Amino acid sequence: TQLLEQSPQFLSIQEGENLTVYCNSSSVFSSLQWYRQEPGEGPVLLVTVVTGGEVKKLKRLTFQFGDARKDSSLHITAAQPGDTGLYLCAPLPGMDSSYKLIFGSGTRLLVRP
Amino acid sequence: SAVISQKPSRDICQRGTSLTIQCQVDSQVTMMFWYRQQPGQSLTLIATANQGSEATYESGFVIDKFPISRPNLTFSTLTVSNMSPEDSSIYLCSVRQGTPHNYGYTFGSGTRLTVV
Repeated sequence: TQLLEQSPQFLSIQEGENLTVYCNSSSVFSSLQWYRQEPGEGPVLLVTVVTGGEVKKLKRLTFQFGDARKDSSLHITAAQPGDTGLYLCAPLPGMDSSYKLIFGSGTRLLVRP
Repeated sequence: SAVISQKPSRDICQRGTSLTIQCQVDSQVTMMFWYRQQPGQSLTLIATANQGSEATYESGFVIDKFPISRPNLTFSTLTVSNMSPEDSSIYLCSVRQGTPHNYGYTFGSGTRLTVV
C-alpha cells in the first residue's frame, strides 16, 4: 500500500494543454519531493517543497505544498512532448525512517505532438 | 551528484535461473538501495544494502529470493534467484549522498529483466 496516492494514474493530453496532477496522503510530512522518470531512465529529482503553502516554479512546472503539509500538486503549463514520463512524489525521509525513499503510486503522463 | 552505472541494462532469462545485477558508483556513498518497478507501476523499495553486513529487506522481500551484497562503499549487487515470469520488472539501484542536513538521491538507469 502506497503511503502517497497520486491522481490521475494516467493522463494523455495534446501538446499545448495545461494539466495538474495530485499527490495526497492522510499523513503530515516535513517535506515532499517530486521526481520525473523518463522511459529507460531512473527517476530524477525536480523539486523539494518544505513549507506548508509553499509554491515553487521550475520553468513551466509549478509545485505547491498543501497548507497542512499532507498533499501537493504539480501544474504544467503548455505541456510539451518532452514532459512525457512518470511523475512521482515522495516524502523526503529522515533518520527516523532509515532514510528510505518511498514513492507514491505515480502519474504517467503522455503528451501527444 | 554521484554517477551510477548499472549492468546489465537489460536481459532475457529463462525461468528457474538467477541473474545478478551490478551497481557501481563513481564516489563513496553511505547508503545504497534497490528498487523494483513492475510494468506500468511506481517504484517499490526492495532493500537497503548495508556495507559489511546483511541487507535490510522491506516487507514482502526476502534474502533467499533477492540476495544482496555490498562489499564496499561504491559497489553493490542484487541477485534475482529462481526467476519466474512474475519477476519481470525493472530493477534500479539508488544512492543517498550529502550531509546529514542536506542530502539527495540519485538513481541508476535500471535493469530491464524479462523472464520467459
